[in-house]
Amino acid sequence: EPEVTQTPSHQVTQMGQEVILRCVPISNHLYFYWYRQILGQKVEFLVSFYNNEISEKSEIFDDQFSVERPDGSNFTLKIRSTKLEDSAMYFCASRDRAMNTEAFFGQGTRLTVV
Amino acid sequence: AQSVTQLGSHVSVSEGALVLLRCNYSSSVPPYLFWYVQYPNQGLQLLLKYTTGATLVKGINGFEAEFKKSETSFHLTKPSAHMSDAAEYFCAVSSILTGGGNKLTFGTGTQLKVEL
Repeated sequence: EPEVTQTPSHQVTQMGQEVILRCVPISNHLYFYWYRQILGQKVEFLVSFYNNEISEKSEIFDDQFSVERPDGSNFTLKIRSTKLEDSAMYFCASRDRAMNTEAFFGQGTRLTVV
Repeated sequence: AQSVTQLGSHVSVSEGALVLLRCNYSSSVPPYLFWYVQYPNQGLQLLLKYTTGATLVKGINGFEAEFKKSETSFHLTKPSAHMSDAAEYFCAVSSILTGGGNKLTFGTGTQLKVEL
């Protein structure tokens, strides 16, 4: 069964460092998303990406964040200068063309900023 | 703007008992509604969804949910709980948009505990 794959599963980084979280969405999907879940809190939307551009972003997704689809398979989230409060589980998701289809989520990357 | 309220951050049931997890939503447009389950240290797995049509939807692992527009609810039920159902459950809503977007807005989650 097709699945969304995220790497790494866990990343520890020092405050102020740049991190790149990687995702391989399901191959025929057209919509891509990043969500995050701070420990003990709800899953929050960060950004959606369609047709090689951001279609929507939340208030959380400030200038420190960027997304890219550098080739036909990968979808990355970059945090330029990490802060302690960026520590969270980051989920990538992808969705098919039809508007009533569900998003499929990856297993997540746990980011720990120290 | 859309929102989801899940009543009860923790629910405990006995094995074999009815599971009822509550979800109420707010949406200015017809919603799409989802229940996702998250097992420890894992990602989010779709249990079931409502988009259009039949208001009672059946999902995996014996779960079902009923969309009640008049009550703006989408409660999740299972007739008989199993130990393996212990997990965190998230209700989510999305909007019907053209083009990109269609983000999910999640509730705060309900941790289900199943006891012998």
